[in-house]
Amino acid sequence: DAGVIQSPRHEVTEMGQEVTLRCKPISGHDYLFWYRQTMMRGLELLIYFNNNVPIDDSGMPEDRFSAKMPNASFSTLKIQPSEPRDSAVYFCASSLDRARETQYFGPGTRLLVL
Amino acid sequence: GIQVEQSPPDLILQEGANSTLRCNFSDSVNNLQWFHQNPWGQLINLFYIPSGTKQNGRLSATTVATERYSLLYISSSQTTDSGVYFCAVEGMDTGRRALTFGSGTRLQVQP
Repeated sequence: DAGVIQSPRHEVTEMGQEVTLRCKPISGHDYLFWYRQTMMRGLELLIYFNNNVPIDDSGMPEDRFSAKMPNASFSTLKIQPSEPRDSAVYFCASSLDRARETQYFGPGTRLLVL
Repeated sequence: GIQVEQSPPDLILQEGANSTLRCNFSDSVNNLQWFHQNPWGQLINLFYIPSGTKQNGRLSATTVATERYSLLYISSSQTTDSGVYFCAVEGMDTGRRALTFGSGTRLQVQP
């Protein structure tokens, strides 16, 4: 399997611009997670989906952030408008829909907002 | 929510040395994973180990769920072992399928 695929791998944008991050989970996985890594807060969950339905978005920092999963093989995380404090590495992960299952992480998208 | 503490925060070793990294967690867990974040930022799964002991080459891990801790052992360390090691857990009682990460142990292996 190709593993979790994320694009782009790096993104540099200016404050106020819209940013869209993309994720393709491992085929057959029913859970998809978005995490963010910053120096100040470490790795933290933003939102996760089960069978394409958002289950818990309590980690989404504010209304500027939105996530969708239109089908089982694709998810997006959008920031509009972006701010410098959104600069971070954004990871997507997926797992099988069973209890006690490993989460597999993608390579991450490194976002820099100027 | 569940708390995860890792120690030590930083570790410097000479190549060939052994080390033990510790992860303490505050509640019962469904899931515990150890990751290695390499210098390029990739999170690499090392172990899925909510309980028991596992070994993979020079690495092994033990989780004592009743005492709420896990240990990661690295033997005969190599420079390629450098990076940050994270412990992450999913609390059993939250009903929430999400990993809570510790702050990591930064390991530097010197030649």
